[in-house]
Amino acid sequence: DAGVIQSPRHEVTEMGQEVTLRCKPISGHDYLFWYRQTMMRGLELLIYFNNNVPIDDSGMPEDRFSAKMPNASFSTLKIQPSEPRDSAVYFCASSLAGGLALHFGNGTRLTVT
Amino acid sequence: SQQGEEDPQALSIQEGENATMNCSYKTSINNLQWYRQNSGRGLVHLILIRSNEREKHSGRLRVTLDTSKKSSSLLITASRAADTASYFCATYRIQGAQKLVFGQGTRLTINP
Repeated sequence: DAGVIQSPRHEVTEMGQEVTLRCKPISGHDYLFWYRQTMMRGLELLIYFNNNVPIDDSGMPEDRFSAKMPNASFSTLKIQPSEPRDSAVYFCASSLAGGLALHFGNGTRLTVT
Repeated sequence: SQQGEEDPQALSIQEGENATMNCSYKTSINNLQWYRQNSGRGLVHLILIRSNEREKHSGRLRVTLDTSKKSSSLLITASRAADTASYFCATYRIQGAQKLVFGQGTRLTINP
């Protein structure tokens, strides 16, 4: 299995631009999670899906952030407009079922200037 | 909100020594998990211990769980340079949102 695949690995953009991060979960996994990691705040859960349906988006910082999962093999996290404080590493993870081990991608390092 | 708190924040030991990291949490849990993160990479799941288990082993890893004290420990025996990484505990709560909440992690450095 290829594992969780995220793209791009690095993204540098200017403030105000739209950013789209992509994730392909492990086939057969019913749960998909988006986390954000910064030195100051650690790993924060932004949103998670179960069977493509958003279950808890309480961690999404504000309306500038949106996430979709149009099918079982693809999810996007969009930031529009981006701000310098959005700079972080964004991780996607998937799991076979709730409460089980998470499989993480290698993350997207986002830099907003 | 932060559920797991790792201790210490950083640990530096010599190769061959044992490394112990601790995790404390606040609310009742379904299970507790430990992950490793190498620099620039995603987290890798190491071990899961359920609330009705007290100890679990996996290779050189030993995890204990004390639900009465709301704490867990991760022991890495006979450490190797390749064990240098950050280690995170994560808790899966019984009530509330069904999500895994991570602590801030322990940065482990193994000196050759």
